[in-house]
Amino acid sequence: QVQLVQSGAEVKKPGASVKVSCKGSGYIFTSYHIHWVRQGPGQRLEWVGWINTGDGDTNYSQKFQGRVTFTRDTSARTAYMELSDLRSEDTALYYCACFPYITRGSAYWGQGTLVTVSS
Amino acid sequence: EIVLTQSPGTLSLSPGERVTLSCRASQSVSSNYLAWYQQKPGQAPRLLIHGASSRATGIPDRFSGSGYGTDFTLTISRLEPEDFAVYYCQQYGSSLTFGGGTKVEIK
Repeated sequence: QVQLVQSGAEVKKPGASVKVSCKGSGYIFTSYHIHWVRQGPGQRLEWVGWINTGDGDTNYSQKFQGRVTFTRDTSARTAYMELSDLRSEDTALYYCACFPYITRGSAYWGQGTLVTVSS
Repeated sequence: EIVLTQSPGTLSLSPGERVTLSCRASQSVSSNYLAWYQQKPGQAPRLLIHGASSRATGIPDRFSGSGYGTDFTLTISRLEPEDFAVYYCQQYGSSLTFGGGTKVEIK
């Protein structure tokens, strides 16, 4: 079955960077874009962007342009999100997900990675 | 960016009641690329509906979606105890955005 497994929780200081990983299994890794979605404490879901795991093309939400970078390593079946210049408002649970609605009628989410930004 | 507005913010209901949740888009959602999710505390969102009206794999038929263009609805025909949660709409026709959510709580 399709699974996305993310790296563990991180605590960072303001101004630092964080890199979160998302390893896919149970499917052809390059078949689906990997999206990144975050959710602050008690907040709504917020889309960060996606990476085309096939060719590496990316699409970032305007809000995060210039601060976020998505990469992938197809041999390791892993996607990465790096967020720089961290602020306290970046404290959130970061999810990776894929949405093969048409081909599978499903969506798949990682377990989430808590990123805490605190001085 | 397409902005999704969900209403109401919170609904207080009893098991067995019928629920109608609204999601309005700031511009037309192409190809009806609109999904609905359920989220419970401490859990990742669970897909209920995609393509505005197609139930996801394994979702009970008490959940149904409808709508077109800018106005979409999620209906739960008869609330079960496990349905008390937060519901989000998501459009994926132009980049991707989520609505602010509707909380369905026990009255």
